[in-house]
Amino acid sequence: GAVVSQHPSWVICKSGTSVKIECRSLDFQATTMFWYRQFPKQSLMLMATSNEGSKATYEQGVEKDKFLINHASLTLSTLTVTSAHPEDSSFYICSARLAQETQYFGPGTRLLVL
Amino acid sequence: AQKITQTQPGMFVQEKEAVTLDCTYDTSDQSYGLFWYKQPSSGEMIFLIYQGSYDEQNATEGRYSLNFQKARKSANLVISASQLGDSAMYFCAMRAGDSNYQLIWGAGTKLIIKP
Repeated sequence: GAVVSQHPSWVICKSGTSVKIECRSLDFQATTMFWYRQFPKQSLMLMATSNEGSKATYEQGVEKDKFLINHASLTLSTLTVTSAHPEDSSFYICSARLAQETQYFGPGTRLLVL
Repeated sequence: AQKITQTQPGMFVQEKEAVTLDCTYDTSDQSYGLFWYKQPSSGEMIFLIYQGSYDEQNATEGRYSLNFQKARKSANLVISASQLGDSAMYFCAMRAGDSNYQLIWGAGTKLIIKP
């Protein structure tokens, strides 16, 4: 149980295009989903916290107009990187929280913006 | 300030030996939770073990155990009988207080198991 999928796993796009990443909890309903960014050889950096049916809460320094988060249902959250630029290239990973404390993570999405 | 400290950037351990990964935390909250996650080279974060601040017993999950020393604010991960597949990054994390279940992350420890 507690499986989280993320799609796509890899994406290469041209500068200026938008990229949508999906995060799904497959066998449970997630009260809260989180979006992280991870640079090589570094720890996770929380970007935003998303509760179903409400606006995401963004961490300081994260542009909400740049990283659009939609949490339309208890099993799906999406992150859209708008007008992506090379500096947005990174590893993006989502997690979903059950009723308890534990966050279960998706496999991550590697984004490369050319 | 709430903080997680992992002082070991990297560790080499012989296969089948036990290994302890250090984690210390800082919080003024009475209620908090401590987690360990494993991140292999594929990138996904795998939940290993959880310890609540009010749990009196040390958490155990198979070969993983958490050595929780509340007075010292440490939550070390112990892996018994290490295997080659244990080679990965290991992150300690803490959920503290009314944080909307957000986690505070340590810098991680890269563990390499030698055959």
